Amino acid sequence: EAGVAQSPRYKIIEKRQSVAFWCNPISGHATLYWYQQILGQGPKLLIQFQNNGVVDDSQLPKDRFSAERLKGVDSTLKIQPAKLEDSAVYLCASSLDLRDYGYTFGSGTRLTVV
Amino acid sequence: SQQGEEDPQALSIQEGENATMNCSYKTSINNLQWYRQNSGRGLVHLILIRSNEREKHSGRLRVTLDTSKKSSSLLITASRAADTASYFCAHTTPSNTGKLIFGQGTTLQVKP
Repeated sequence: EAGVAQSPRYKIIEKRQSVAFWCNPISGHATLYWYQQILGQGPKLLIQFQNNGVVDDSQLPKDRFSAERLKGVDSTLKIQPAKLEDSAVYLCASSLDLRDYGYTFGSGTRLTVV
Repeated sequence: SQQGEEDPQALSIQEGENATMNCSYKTSINNLQWYRQNSGRGLVHLILIRSNEREKHSGRLRVTLDTSKKSSSLLITASRAADTASYFCAHTTPSNTGKLIFGQGTTLQVKP
């Protein structure tokens, strides 16, 4: 079974630039999560999708972050404009369904904003 | 914040010794999970314990859960250098929709 694919692996941008991350979950997984992990901290949920609908985006800074999962499969997370404090690892995870706790995480995208 | 706390923040032991990490949380839980993260890599699921369970084993891992104290512990027995990583506890709550609420993590170094 293929894992959760994320790209790019690393990204360095200047503040105020925009950036996009891509995630392809495990085939058949209806639930997709984006987490932000700042260095030295535990991951924090940004947004959760069930198929192509948003379940929870309460901690997504909506003035600069956006995410979509148009066809209920892969997903894109965008930051525009980026700030220095957005430097973090962005992790994508998927699970079969909302109440299935078999989460699989991708390797993450490490973003550095300079 | 709903985030839990982990203790200690860092732990350094010799190969062969046991490592114990503790986790506390603030709300009622549905289940609690432990994850390992190697430097610069994604999270790997280690073990899940449900709120009605008190102890669970998986290989060299032993997890306990005390819901009255809102705490859990992870014991790694006979540690190996390959166990060097960060370990996170994460829980789901009965009222949420499956999102994981993570602790701050414990960084474990196992010296050969």
